[in-house]
Amino acid sequence: TQLLEQSPQFLSIQEGENLTVYCNSSSVFSSLQWYRQEPGEGPVLLVTVVTGGEVKKLKRLTFQFGDARKDSSLHITAAQPGDTGLYLCAGGKRLTFGEGTQLTVNP
Amino acid sequence: GAVVSQHPSWVICKSGTSVKIECRSLDFQATTMFWYRQFPKQSLMLMATSNEGSKATYEQGVEKDKFLINHASLTLSTLTVTSAHPEDSSFYICSAHSGSVVGELFFGEGSRLTVL
Repeated sequence: TQLLEQSPQFLSIQEGENLTVYCNSSSVFSSLQWYRQEPGEGPVLLVTVVTGGEVKKLKRLTFQFGDARKDSSLHITAAQPGDTGLYLCAGGKRLTFGEGTQLTVNP
Repeated sequence: GAVVSQHPSWVICKSGTSVKIECRSLDFQATTMFWYRQFPKQSLMLMATSNEGSKATYEQGVEKDKFLINHASLTLSTLTVTSAHPEDSSFYICSAHSGSVVGELFFGEGSRLTVL
């Protein structure tokens, strides 16, 4: 079973701060996805990373896939209250999900 | 992106009754759909994989007689929670591959089940 560990599980920061969320595994993944979920809604796909070392940017969000394709990170610059939500990484044939990172950005 | 729709978005029922949740892929065909359960502030737990025209594949610990899954067409999968009890109260979410990128899933809006 391919397991994904996310850290931190909870993060509360002030508006304007930067943050990084990590997604780690001992297994190699052909691709990893990052999702964002708001309360009472289904997760929404943010990005898919496929190539080791790949970096993708989505406005203030920067996603990186580790060279060995075992880990990924999500960096948010100048966080805003609208970034508040549950961030999930996922990967593998059976789409294993990490435990999630609950981000709260305070105005 | 691809659109997946769930219905109902929330349902309240009495203990002992059965509840059906529908998951539809609106703009693509999905031979496989997935059903998840999610508790507050926790991640998604895969319950079963729904296969069009064949039996669903259940994850370990998920009672197949309790959570009936039917995938009768390429755009519809249903999850029926039979003889629901308060401990079945949860947020149920479905997802499907659109097929355009391997591993990418599109999720329904989720269905909040409350069993009294």
